[in-house]
Amino acid sequence: GENVEQHPSTLSVQEGDSAVIKCTYSDSASNYFPWYKQELGKRPQLIIDIRSNVGEKKDQRIAVTLNKTAKHFSLHITETQPEDSAVYFCAATGGSQGNLIFGKGTKLSVKP
Amino acid sequence: AAGVIQSPRHLIKEKRETATLKCYPIPRHDTVYWYQQGPGQDPQFLISFYEKMQSDKGSIPDRFSAQQFSDYHSELNMSSLELGDSALYFCASSLGLIDNEQFFGPGTRLTVL
Repeated sequence: GENVEQHPSTLSVQEGDSAVIKCTYSDSASNYFPWYKQELGKRPQLIIDIRSNVGEKKDQRIAVTLNKTAKHFSLHITETQPEDSAVYFCAATGGSQGNLIFGKGTKLSVKP
Repeated sequence: AAGVIQSPRHLIKEKRETATLKCYPIPRHDTVYWYQQGPGQDPQFLISFYEKMQSDKGSIPDRFSAQQFSDYHSELNMSSLELGDSALYFCASSLGLIDNEQFFGPGTRLTVL
């Protein structure tokens, strides 16, 4: 089955710096790769997603890149702000029925 | 816009008791997923339903069962509760089964004493 690895587990940056989180996946049949932001005790919230027919997608300060050959995808956050501090999860569709397999998460801290 | 509704939001049970968690998907969404998230962990897929039929099963214990009803709401039934079942339980819904955005509900925090 699908396995998703995520690095780093913690990331601390200064406000205004960029943050990069990387994930690899194992199942070449996976076609959908969402990124979620989760604050403590709250629901995961989708911040950006990418499908396998696209190599890069951008939404304001957030971008995601996908390399299907290498089976890795990355989240890029530019001009980080303190409110970006949260746990970020990457995910990939596992199995044939659309359920998500999550990475272990990255705790991002943005220092003012 | 309507979101996924979960009830109850908090639940406290004793060991060996039973619990029922409910999920009401976004209107017109036909697919429901259940995930379990332990403290400091990533969400783990339990089970999913598409058009009222079970579509896939993940790491769901045999003590748990679930179903999706004619109005598309879903219930997760948990029996013989163990301390290790204490977690956040999220329901997510989507329109269609494959590679579509999943919208998460606010979760049910289950505490087993």
